[in-house]
Amino acid sequence: KAGVTQTPRYLIKTRGQQVTLSCSPISGHRSVSWYQQTPGQGLQFLFEYFSETQRNKGNFPGRFSGRQFSNSRSEMNVSTLELGDSALYLCASSSGQRTDTQYFGPGTRLTVL
Amino acid sequence: AQKVTQAQTEISVVEKEDVTLDCVYETRDTTYYLFWYKQPPSGELVFLIRRNSFDEQNEISGRYSWNFQKSTSSFNFTITASQVVDSAVYFCALSEARVRSNDYKLSFGAGTTVTVRA
Repeated sequence: KAGVTQTPRYLIKTRGQQVTLSCSPISGHRSVSWYQQTPGQGLQFLFEYFSETQRNKGNFPGRFSGRQFSNSRSEMNVSTLELGDSALYLCASSSGQRTDTQYFGPGTRLTVL
Repeated sequence: AQKVTQAQTEISVVEKEDVTLDCVYETRDTTYYLFWYKQPPSGELVFLIRRNSFDEQNEISGRYSWNFQKSTSSFNFTITASQVVDSAVYFCALSEARVRSNDYKLSFGAGTTVTVRA
């Protein structure tokens, strides 16, 4: 079974721009979660989508948004980028059951200049 | 609120030594899951082990073993006979599993960097 894939792997943007990151979950998984990892804040939960609906959201500003498609692929968007948005963005997939394990993709490293 | 504490920031050992990583958690729930993930330099978080709150049996899987003690809210992880390839950042994580909760997320500790020297 193929694992979680994320594109692109690396991205460089400038302040004020917007960016879209993509995540394809493991086949059969309906839940996709997004996490931000920075040296200062560690791993923080952004949001989770299940069957095209946002089921849970972390404590991030409205500039961070996401969506999920009918094939369970998910995108997250960050508008009006700030320097502090530079981070590794990790996507995780699972069946969506609360007891299930989340499996992570390789991440997208975003650098904001 | 959930909270996971990994007090050890960095651990450095020589190959073949054992490494024990500490994890202490806080939760108000009686049903929860604990995880250990490994993050090598490539960046991907690799799932290692999972334990639910109702199962305190400690196990060994290959060179990995874990010690789960509800009485002290600890979930420690040991790598036996460490190898250079074990060098990575290790994260302990907690997930609640309340039936009526939408709080389906992982709360991570700050991570422990393990360096295994040849």
